[in-house]
Amino acid sequence: KNEVEQSPQNLTAQEGEFITINCSYSVGISALHWLQQHPGGGIVSLFMLSSGKKKHGRLIATINIQEKHSSLHITASHPRDSAVYICAVPNYGGSQGNLIFGKGTKLSVKP
Amino acid sequence: EPEVTQTPSHQVTQMGQEVILRCVPISNHLYFYWYRQILGQKVEFLVSFYNNEISEKSEIFDDQFSVERPDGSNFTLKIRSTKLEDSAMYFCASRSGGAGKLQPQHFGDGTRLSIL
Repeated sequence: KNEVEQSPQNLTAQEGEFITINCSYSVGISALHWLQQHPGGGIVSLFMLSSGKKKHGRLIATINIQEKHSSLHITASHPRDSAVYICAVPNYGGSQGNLIFGKGTKLSVKP
Repeated sequence: EPEVTQTPSHQVTQMGQEVILRCVPISNHLYFYWYRQILGQKVEFLVSFYNNEISEKSEIFDDQFSVERPDGSNFTLKIRSTKLEDSAMYFCASRSGGAGKLQPQHFGDGTRLSIL
């Protein structure tokens, strides 16, 4: 079974700052998810990546499969980025199947 | 963009009562999942469903729980006799089944279940 660790648990930033959230996991996988959970509770998929780097607007996700580590970066952070960011990986490795979730990183961006 | 929809958004039920949570996955998706999140805790896997049967379930998914895909569009989670500890946010997710391509799971907005 996979285990997922995220850091930091809580993060407060000033608007405009560069944000990094880290995720490590124990069982080799082929793909990893980054998710965003809004204050109301809904979950949105941000990225699913298997190698290298993906970019979407101000969000960048990187993954190092060999080191079992991924990072989510937010450039020029904004108060609307305030949410919980969650890393999730397939429970038994590979790229699909049921997911194991990290505890999440609660990000608060102050104006 | 197609969405996974869940109803109701909030369900309040007396302990011991049966509850059915409903989900409409994205129409051409083949794999379906239920997850739950107890307040303040991480999201946990409950059950996955493919080809009209359960493909995997967690230890949380005991005999009180069941899932059904009664028609071509709905995917339901039933809790037979609710307990206080069933209070949580329940998320439905679905993904497509094409081979050789990464297919993300798409999540609904969740049903907040409160057991009194």
